[in-house]
Amino acid sequence: DTAVSQTPKYLVTQMGNDKSIKCEQNLGHDTMYWYKQDSKKFLKIMFSYNNKELIINETVPNRFSPKSPDKAHLNLHINSLELGDSAVYFCASSQVNGTVYGYTFGSGTRLTVV
Amino acid sequence: AQSVTQLDSQVPVFEEAPVELRCNYSSSVSVYLFWYVQYPNQGLQLLLKYLSGSTLVKGINGFEAEFNKSQTSFHLRKPSVHISDTAEYFCAVTFKAAGNKLTFGGGTRVLVKP
Repeated sequence: DTAVSQTPKYLVTQMGNDKSIKCEQNLGHDTMYWYKQDSKKFLKIMFSYNNKELIINETVPNRFSPKSPDKAHLNLHINSLELGDSAVYFCASSQVNGTVYGYTFGSGTRLTVV
Repeated sequence: AQSVTQLDSQVPVFEEAPVELRCNYSSSVSVYLFWYVQYPNQGLQLLLKYLSGSTLVKGINGFEAEFNKSQTSFHLRKPSVHISDTAEYFCAVTFKAAGNKLTFGGGTRVLVKP
């Protein structure tokens, strides 16, 4: 069973479109994250939710809107896609309250905007 | 603010030779340190972590790392690499008050040659 699963794995879309990426974790963790990995492999945090509450919101265009319906799910909606949004987006989860285990990552969603 | 520097962007190494990947961090408070590996077109997998206690940490796949507080370093080593160790390696740091926000280094690409 996949611990952190993201869908879709690949997403090719045109500029100006709106798209969503979904993430689910079955580890019972209380915190979920979205990271963006650019073409140079640099990883940067975008958002974090703890028990459905937004706790980290880095400098990200407001075209990006996360949503956490429950602590096992964290979705990312992107409006008016731009060429610069092309990247790999990783979802991750961790347990913040308790022992620090580090993150468990999903396999990523490769977004290509054309 | 915390930051992580991986001093080598790329490390070529021959099969069965040792490898060391360097990582330095800056933080004004106690930190937790991690190494992750990313195989081509995959997500990130935890190799090992330092939370407290012994400064020599052993991880999966024969990797180990040593925490050096005075030098603010957390270098990763493997005594004998295999072709399958070809991957991108990321050092990361967090502290609990940051909501477990992981800050990553820029990554080191290890290319193992036969």
